[in-house]
Amino acid sequence: AQKVTQAQTEISVVEKEDVTLDCVYETRDTTYYLFWYKQPPSGELVFLIRRNSFDEQNEISGRYSWNFQKSTSSFNFTITASQVVDSAVYFCALTPYGGATNKLIFGTGTLLAVQP
Amino acid sequence: NAGVTQTPKFQVLKTGQSMTLQCAQDMNHEYMSWYRQDPGMGLRLIHYSVGAGITDQGEVPNGYNVSRSTTEDFPLRLLSAAPSQTSVYFCASSPGTALKQYFGPGTRLTVT
Repeated sequence: AQKVTQAQTEISVVEKEDVTLDCVYETRDTTYYLFWYKQPPSGELVFLIRRNSFDEQNEISGRYSWNFQKSTSSFNFTITASQVVDSAVYFCALTPYGGATNKLIFGTGTLLAVQP
Repeated sequence: NAGVTQTPKFQVLKTGQSMTLQCAQDMNHEYMSWYRQDPGMGLRLIHYSVGAGITDQGEVPNGYNVSRSTTEDFPLRLLSAAPSQTSVYFCASSPGTALKQYFGPGTRLTVT
């Protein structure tokens, strides 16, 4: 079975704090892709990152960084020096590679509230 | 490019009514999908298409129909609306398997 778990339902931080959003996934596939999407209060889904299962290098993009560890089936997302504009629901998702489904399996999301 | 567009933005239906949610993309993407988002459940796949004329069921297909007669359009039909179909519906497109999906702005549907 394929599954994505985001155990943190809500996180509240004060501006400038660092925050890590956890994502744990389950799959039997050897090739798969992991994603993070952001859903701000306006409701649209904003793509943040795509990572394949063979690339375990950490990635940094400005204040955002991602830590992919196959040994623990985790793909965690850290925001450094959080800002009020980071307040959103963040979704982690998994796509198996192969076949023609292209389906995204989403976690239930983590609501991040950044207080000024 | 308009990207992925969805109409309407909001809709209220009575139980038993039918309607079609429209989705169009202008990026010439082969893959298109419909998801529904419910509180506490993330997004779940309803139906998807890997090209014109080809559709298949996702995780929660009951009560919905789709067709894909052109690359650009992927409408979602509710056959007989039920309160359980109250949700936010997102359409997405992608140029290929396992690639980034581009989402539309969503349709908020309420069934009373």
